[in-house]
Amino acid sequence: AQKITQTQPGMFVQEKEAVTLDCTYDTSDPSYGLFWYKQPSSGEMIFLIYQGSYDQQNATEGRYSLNFQKARKSANLVISASQLGDSAMYFCAMRVTGRGAQKLVFGQGTRLTINP
Amino acid sequence: DAGITQSPRYKITETGRQVTLMCHQTWSHSYMFWYRQDLGHGLRLIYYSAAADITDKGEVPDGYVVSRSKTENFPLTLESATRSQTSVYFCASSVSRANQPQHFGDGTRLSIL
Repeated sequence: AQKITQTQPGMFVQEKEAVTLDCTYDTSDPSYGLFWYKQPSSGEMIFLIYQGSYDQQNATEGRYSLNFQKARKSANLVISASQLGDSAMYFCAMRVTGRGAQKLVFGQGTRLTINP
Repeated sequence: DAGITQSPRYKITETGRQVTLMCHQTWSHSYMFWYRQDLGHGLRLIYYSAAADITDKGEVPDGYVVSRSKTENFPLTLESATRSQTSVYFCASSVSRANQPQHFGDGTRLSIL
């Protein structure tokens, strides 16, 4: 069964430091995709970054990068130079293919707090 | 650019009542999804749809009904609401390409008393 595990319920980081949010996954499908979403206190879900299982390089989007270690089945999100506005819940999700639709399986999330 | 909208944003109802949550997207995305978010569980898939008139169960479908007569609309109905269905409900949509993200509505906070 496909599963996403986020082992850090909460993290506290000083502003301007880099932060790594952990995500491990379990799947037997050789083709899969991993997504990270941000959920600020206002509640909306914001897409951050995507990594495909066949992508040769780690994905990057501005201050966000994904540390993809296929053998370890991990897809950690790295935020460089953290800002107060980065305080939010962060969800890792894995794409699962079923009956013609690309479904997502989510982890339980990590609450990140950036301290000034 | 309306994107994906959910209504209502907040709803309070009583056990046993029927309630329908609406979801409308303007992108003509083929895929649409309903999730519920509860503390300690992240987001869990209730139902999804690959196209108009094609729907399928997700992880937690019991107590819910969906329909999709038009591509842009994907309503979720709780036929007889229970307290355990108190949650935040998110609708999402996406194109069919695997590397494209799902785009979420702002959510509906549903309380069942």
